[in-house]
Amino acid sequence: GEDVEQSLFLSVREGDSSVINCTYTDSSSTYLYWYKQEPGAGLQLLTYIFSNMDMKQDQRLTVLLNKKDKHLSLRIADTQTGDSAIYFCAESPPGGGSYIPTFGRGTSLIVHP
Amino acid sequence: DADVTQTPRNRITKTGKRIMLECSQTKGHDRMYWYRQDPGLGLRLIYYSFDVKDINKGEISDGYSVSRQAQAKFSLSLESAIPNQTALYFCATEGTGSGELFFGEGSRLTVL
Repeated sequence: GEDVEQSLFLSVREGDSSVINCTYTDSSSTYLYWYKQEPGAGLQLLTYIFSNMDMKQDQRLTVLLNKKDKHLSLRIADTQTGDSAIYFCAESPPGGGSYIPTFGRGTSLIVHP
Repeated sequence: DADVTQTPRNRITKTGKRIMLECSQTKGHDRMYWYRQDPGLGLRLIYYSFDVKDINKGEISDGYSVSRQAQAKFSLSLESAIPNQTALYFCATEGTGSGELFFGEGSRLTVL
């Protein structure tokens, strides 16, 4: 099956930028997602990008996609303590069919003063 | 009200007991999933269902069973709970073809 990999931990200082990385293996057109899981809660979609795009920006969030290397990154500008959470990268092609979304293991972002 | 509701939110039980975790959704989605989350292991898929008559095993289905009672309801059962089933369990839904999952708040299960 397809595989999604991401590092497990990232520690940053409040006010700095955070960059969370993810690699995937699907070679077809696909959607790539970033979910955020705050302590004691379920996952919620943060943002997504289609594989024919290079970049997507939404306020403090920037998603960059390197299609050649199948590398996805999530940059959080001016990181705040409220950004401390687990961030999951996920991949799913459009159209449904028998395909199920594939998740990475999640990156725990720790923001310290 | 939450779109995806899980009950119970927390449960402590003993080895050998039968446990049912329930999930209901108001999003009208056909696809539903059960995952378990363990520290460092991320989300692992237990079972999934693409519609009421469809049930599929995920990567870690041993020791679990499910029932899709209606489009809106998908229950996960542990027939005889064991301590290594202690985990946080999530139900999720997906509109067919969307790829985006909507998660419940989770059910924390402790098996003593």
